Parts: sequence; C-alpha cells; structure tokens
Amino acid sequence: DAGVIQSPRHEVTEMGQEVTLRCKPISGHNSLFWYRQTMMRGLELLIYFNNNVPIDDSGMPEDRFSAKMPNASFSTLKIQPSEPRDSAVYFCASSKTGGASGELFFGEGSRLTVL
Amino acid sequence: QQQVKQSPQSLIVQKGGIPIINCAYENTAFDYFPWYQQFPGKGPALLIAIRPDVSEKKEGRFTISFNKSAKQFSLHIMDSQPGDSATYFCAARYNQGGKLIFGQGTELSVKP
Repeated sequence: DAGVIQSPRHEVTEMGQEVTLRCKPISGHNSLFWYRQTMMRGLELLIYFNNNVPIDDSGMPEDRFSAKMPNASFSTLKIQPSEPRDSAVYFCASSKTGGASGELFFGEGSRLTVL
Repeated sequence: QQQVKQSPQSLIVQKGGIPIINCAYENTAFDYFPWYQQFPGKGPALLIAIRPDVSEKKEGRFTISFNKSAKQFSLHIMDSQPGDSATYFCAARYNQGGKLIFGQGTELSVKP
C-alpha cells in the first residue's frame, strides 16, 4: 500500500511568493495532520482534520497560513505571502481515528526554503 | 508552553551501550504515549507506544518505562547499534483520536 504522499519534496521560493504544499493521506484514514519541523522548535502541530473537517488550527502561526481538505484523499497547506522564517520541513501525517494504536503515518516531508 | 518536555537534546553512546531518553508531561488528559524514530530526510515513524495503565512495555531492544504518578516516561535502547543513530521523539495524545504533541527530540549517535 502507498504511504502518505507529499509534494513537492523540495521548494525554493522568494519572499512574498505563494507556496502550496500538497498531501495525499493513506486510503481509509480519516484524520490528517500538518506538522512543521525546525531545529529551534522541533515538530509543531499546525492543524488537524477529522473526516475532512478542521478540528484544531490553534498551531497555525498567522493568517498567512491556510489549510484545506476538500475530500478524503487530498489536503493543501498554503502560505501567502511567504517569509524567510517559514523555511522548514512540513510534514503531513494521517491516521485512523479511533484505531487501537492511534499511530500516525508520516509522509517524507516538503522542505521549504524561502529566500 | 511546552506540553511534553524531552531530554537530553543529544546523546552519544558506544555500541552496546544503553541510551536513555526521558520525557515529562503535565496534562492528565493525555491517554497514549508513543515514541517515534526519525532518520535524516525521512518522516518520523512509530517505534513503540504505551498507555498510562501499564508501567513498562518492551519490544525487542526497545523498552518504555512509565511512571504515572510522576508524569514521566522514558525510552531505553538495549545493546544499541550504529543503525539506531537517529532522532527520537516522545509524544503524548489527547484522548482517542486527538492531536499528538511531540517533545523536542533527542539526536542519538551510536559510535561503532
């Protein structure tokens, strides 16, 4: 079975540009999470969805960040406008809510560099 | 406010040694405590997990010790190998299906 698929794997952009990161969760999983990883702050939860509905977006840094999940097999994280401090690795993860283990399955991440 | 505190930040041991990584939490609403392992360029992957009604769980060379009264848990790696060199994250989850909060991570290096 395919795991969580993220694209692009690497993105280099200039300050002020719009960035869109994409995620395809594992089929059958109904929870989706967006995390950001930096050396300084570790793994931070930005937002998570249950059954395509945003449940907790308290980790979204500011209005420049937005996330959508139009259907069970696709989610986007958008940054507009981007700033150098947004440079990080962004991970998408999915899980089966209510599953015995609650295990999160992570994608390989999207490394964003904002110049 | 850091809800899950992890230490040390980095750890170097010799092959065969027993690295120990510690985590502490405050919120009693957490009901599930996993450890994730991350290799460079990859996403974190579940290593082992424990629920608060159990004091110890062992899977192969990896053991979690859990102290509910102290709100602390730790990961022990027996007979560590160079292939165990990775970043380890403890985590805690709010109720079933809730969000997973990670510790800051520990970069482990096992020298041959």
